Amino acid sequence: AIQLTQSPSSLSASVGGRVTITCRASQGISSALAWYQQKPGKAPKLLISDASSLESGVPSRFSGSGSGTDFTLTINSLQPEDFATYYCQQFNSVPPSFGGGTKVEIK
Amino acid sequence: QVQLQQSGPGLVRPSQTLSLTCAISGDSVSSDSAAWNWIRQSPSRGLEWLGRTYYRSRWYNDYALSVKSRISINPDTSKNQFSLQLNSVTPEDTAVYYCARGASYQMLRFDYWGQGTLVTVSS
Repeated sequence: AIQLTQSPSSLSASVGGRVTITCRASQGISSALAWYQQKPGKAPKLLISDASSLESGVPSRFSGSGSGTDFTLTINSLQPEDFATYYCQQFNSVPPSFGGGTKVEIK
Repeated sequence: QVQLQQSGPGLVRPSQTLSLTCAISGDSVSSDSAAWNWIRQSPSRGLEWLGRTYYRSRWYNDYALSVKSRISINPDTSKNQFSLQLNSVTPEDTAVYYCARGASYQMLRFDYWGQGTLVTVSS
């Protein structure tokens, strides 16, 4: 099974700031990577698919990049509603797997 | 707009069977471009995919190795829903369980989720 390693596991940032989260796959997954946002008590919400394609309705301050084994989620101009936990997930092969999550907290 | 509505008990006794149902609106369980998944989340295991069912001229299932001997995911076309059964549960199966639609490449990109059901395994 493909392992996904996310870093950092948590970070503190200010409103208006910029955040970068990385996700590394244990083997190449082409661009079959998604990013999710999860708020307490809620289901994960799909933000980005195919490593860099923004889902409909997701603000343009979110962006993704990478291919193969190394991927990045960037949030520019952080807004109060962006404080949440973010997960990467590979959908290249069965079983799909998730990263351990990155909790973004307010500084 | 696809919506997934979960139902089922929040408390299951050890060694018993966990059963949850996910009702689909806005899509069909028999869709030839989607798969219907169960995923759970716990502090110890994180987000863990459990399995899926999908229809491509016939019904298929895939299951995670960690639960393969205990799990069954079944479609119900008459009610446009699918279900999860997990047998012989232990406290380690305590988690929030989600149903989710899988789409796109490999049908493993989860674009719609149910609201989640906290299932506690305890006597």
